[in-house]
Amino acid sequence: DSGVTQTPKHLITATGQRVTLRCSPRSGDLSVYWYQQSLDQGLQFLIQYYNGEERAKGNILERFSAQQFPDLHSELNLSSLELGDSALYFCASSPSGDTASPLHFGNGTRLTVT
Amino acid sequence: GQQVMQIPQYQHVQEGEDFTTYCNSSTTLSNIQWYKQRPGGHPVFLIQLVKSGEVKKQKRLTFQFGEAKKNSSLHITATQTTDVGTYFCAEAGGTSYGKLTFGQGTILTVHP
Repeated sequence: DSGVTQTPKHLITATGQRVTLRCSPRSGDLSVYWYQQSLDQGLQFLIQYYNGEERAKGNILERFSAQQFPDLHSELNLSSLELGDSALYFCASSPSGDTASPLHFGNGTRLTVT
Repeated sequence: GQQVMQIPQYQHVQEGEDFTTYCNSSTTLSNIQWYKQRPGGHPVFLIQLVKSGEVKKQKRLTFQFGEAKKNSSLHITATQTTDVGTYFCAEAGGTSYGKLTFGQGTILTVHP
């Protein structure tokens, strides 16, 4: 158990809909990362937050947004969903957000868009 | 942007054979991390390499960082069925904070 909690485990929704994925980092970790994993794209970095502030951004679509709340949990919002958004979405956390710290991943949320 | 190329994409071995996966970058890396993802699981941190020429061992796993800090390898001696999974390298692109970029991963299958 990595200590990172992601909910829900599975999500099935239709194209055009909006969903919210939730992540609680390990106790004491201030930084949260979101990654998208699809079969042909590997682990793609979406966005990183540190203590409530956005720190780094990857190839995150404009239809996607995220935030980190004062209690350090994070939410990833995906809107106007398309079939191609079907993937496994991982949240990871680290203590300080510097790249010398290993990431601890949650179990992921599997999103299926039909 | 910064990218690591990881090879091979797939590797099938018989139990007891050795396995190696490689990560290569065109630019100098500040550090490199290795992760393992079991089928149906999430990536789990294995190790981090920071120094030029560094070699670290974990039981049957040997990790190396190149002298120029542009490549790294993970070698497993005498594979076991429990080694099955995808092995990823990840790099920070010379920055001290921000994203970790993952290689495409090497999917290891071990036949008993």
